[in-house]
Amino acid sequence: GAGVSQSPSNKVTEKGKDVELRCDPISGHTALYWYRQSLGQGLEFLIYFQGNSAPDKSGLPSDRFSAERTGGSVSTLTIQRTQQEDSAVYLCASSLEVVDYGYTFGSGTRLTVV
Amino acid sequence: SQQGEEDPQALSIQEGENATMNCSYKTSINNLQWYRQNSGRGLVHLILIRSNEREKHSGRLRVTLDTSKKSSSLLITASRAADTASYFCATDGDSEYSTLTFGKGTMLLVSP
Repeated sequence: GAGVSQSPSNKVTEKGKDVELRCDPISGHTALYWYRQSLGQGLEFLIYFQGNSAPDKSGLPSDRFSAERTGGSVSTLTIQRTQQEDSAVYLCASSLEVVDYGYTFGSGTRLTVV
Repeated sequence: SQQGEEDPQALSIQEGENATMNCSYKTSINNLQWYRQNSGRGLVHLILIRSNEREKHSGRLRVTLDTSKKSSSLLITASRAADTASYFCATDGDSEYSTLTFGKGTMLLVSP
């Protein structure tokens, strides 16, 4: 597509429930990234994919967080047993390659855990 | 860990004035990038400057990079109300597969 698409745009969930966030990157972009942003804060790196593999998972906050990417395209970020501190905007971005290219961001998914 | 740190945290100016934002970082880099964010949603890539470059222009934007001081500045000339947004600098590391680390941003308010 023309841009990075994320769904849903907003998600309200009850504490303890699982949620799945989806990212559809720009066609042909090999690198895909997940960040999260809490209110008024900078971006916190979560994970990135080069193709379908995830060389760096160091940013995932806990084992409740997991992500996958299939076919070198769509990625899903899953949060199990959500907690209130998981509330944030989850941003996905893609780039042609990891190094020396700017990122194109989606509009994000605003997750609220109540 | 936080790599880039923007300064000031907030900046308020009148339309037509210039806005200057600064960024400091800690480690060696391949490149430094600036992004704009409106309304707390997706970021828009503005400009990328490589470690062997000292200055880059794009329209009303001018970016400088001083690798000896590990700092960069973003200058927006003749600002407009539409420039109101948060501006973030982002740096990679100097390894082969370094992802971007973002600062906390400068919130710019341009009043008509």
